[in-house]
Amino acid sequence: GQQLNQSPQSMFIQEGEDVSMNCTSSSIFNTWLWYKQDPGEGPVLLIALYKAGELTSNGRLTAQFGITRKDSFLNISASIPSDVGIYFCAGPANTGNQFYFGTGTSLTVIP
Amino acid sequence: NAGVMQNPRHLVRRRGQEARLRCSPVKGHSHVYWYRQLPEEGLKFMVYLQKENIIDESGMPKERFSAEFPKEGPSILRIQQVVRGDSAAYFCASSPGQVTAYEQYFGPGTRLTVT
Repeated sequence: GQQLNQSPQSMFIQEGEDVSMNCTSSSIFNTWLWYKQDPGEGPVLLIALYKAGELTSNGRLTAQFGITRKDSFLNISASIPSDVGIYFCAGPANTGNQFYFGTGTSLTVIP
Repeated sequence: NAGVMQNPRHLVRRRGQEARLRCSPVKGHSHVYWYRQLPEEGLKFMVYLQKENIIDESGMPKERFSAEFPKEGPSILRIQQVVRGDSAAYFCASSPGQVTAYEQYFGPGTRLTVT
């Protein structure tokens, strides 16, 4: 199946700092989604991207659909303690109906 | 979590028993997906269903696992004769099945422990 690799695997940052993470694929995706998962909960959809080059914001979060369609980026500005969690990228297979999730980036915000 | 309900939240089964996990999608959503998540890992697709139809079960083990989404009632993921390796969190997601079909909304998950 398709591999979605996320980096970094984990991040420890000070409150107020900006955060950048990315997701790369071995093949082209036509849609990119970013989710956040809190411990013991299901993922929550943050941002959906549908066009190459698209840049979309949701509050302090900004995500971009890479031009090559093989990557996507998520930025969080002015981090706060409630940003703690695991961030996953995801996308649908171009054939069939499978949905692939990335390996996740674990974010810890130090007050 | 946008109204997707899953129950039970925690389920303990002994090896060889059956596990039945339920998922009620967001009202009006006709597409349901099931995923499995092992500790420290991402979600792995298992099966995609629309009302009364299995669309894609390519991620589901061929034996012991089955899923349904009847015309009325919740979607059910059934695991027969559970083994320790089945211990995981199982998440259900639903989508409206239209332009935004890819925007899946997840339930809180069922954590299955096989003893």
